[in-house]
Amino acid sequence: KNEVEQSPQNLTAQEGEFITINCSYSVGISALHWLQQHPGGGIVSLFMLSSGKKKHGRLIATINIQEKHSSLHITASHPRDSAVYICAVLSGSARQLTFGSGTQLTVLP
Amino acid sequence: NAGVTQTPKFQVLKTGQSMTLQCAQDMNHEYMSWYRQDPGMGLRLIHYSVGAGITDQGEVPNGYNVSRSTTEDFPLRLLSAAPSQTSVYFCASSPTGWSTEAFFGQGTRLTVV
Repeated sequence: KNEVEQSPQNLTAQEGEFITINCSYSVGISALHWLQQHPGGGIVSLFMLSSGKKKHGRLIATINIQEKHSSLHITASHPRDSAVYICAVLSGSARQLTFGSGTQLTVLP
Repeated sequence: NAGVTQTPKFQVLKTGQSMTLQCAQDMNHEYMSWYRQDPGMGLRLIHYSVGAGITDQGEVPNGYNVSRSTTEDFPLRLLSAAPSQTSVYFCASSPTGWSTEAFFGQGTRLTVV
């Protein structure tokens, strides 16, 4: 079983919809990252969380340490939000990131 | 501020050839890592460095070498390319061991034929 599980793997939404992407992990962590990857492009960091909630524009990220779960929400989704969203957790004695396999989001106009 | 710069962006190699993927950052970050990204899988750690002169193996190090002679540069060497090394490679850096921000390069798409 992967240490980091994301759901759904694929998500198609209509412009304007509220979107939720989930990330569950099985180990104790000290930080969790949400990343965005556009087609053919690089990876951009959206959030780093160790507790609670963060908001940036239309993006909101939450984490529940006790339940080992994080969510990324996108309000008023737009076609430019179409990308792969990746969850990564910082854990272990080597203190390296472990990545989920990503959620492919497509927002239709 | 250029961030993390990877070169080349695309590369095609023949089986058995060697090459070096370049990674440079201008943010004075101590932590740097190389990952490979394959379809349906999360990014996997190849090698990492916690400072100049210090490197260590990640999850999938076989067939790759790294060195860290300066804080800025962290090249990844493919010793004898194999088709299994066809992948997209990302370099990343962090000022504090990934407990704050993580910065990624644009990626190198490598095809080994």
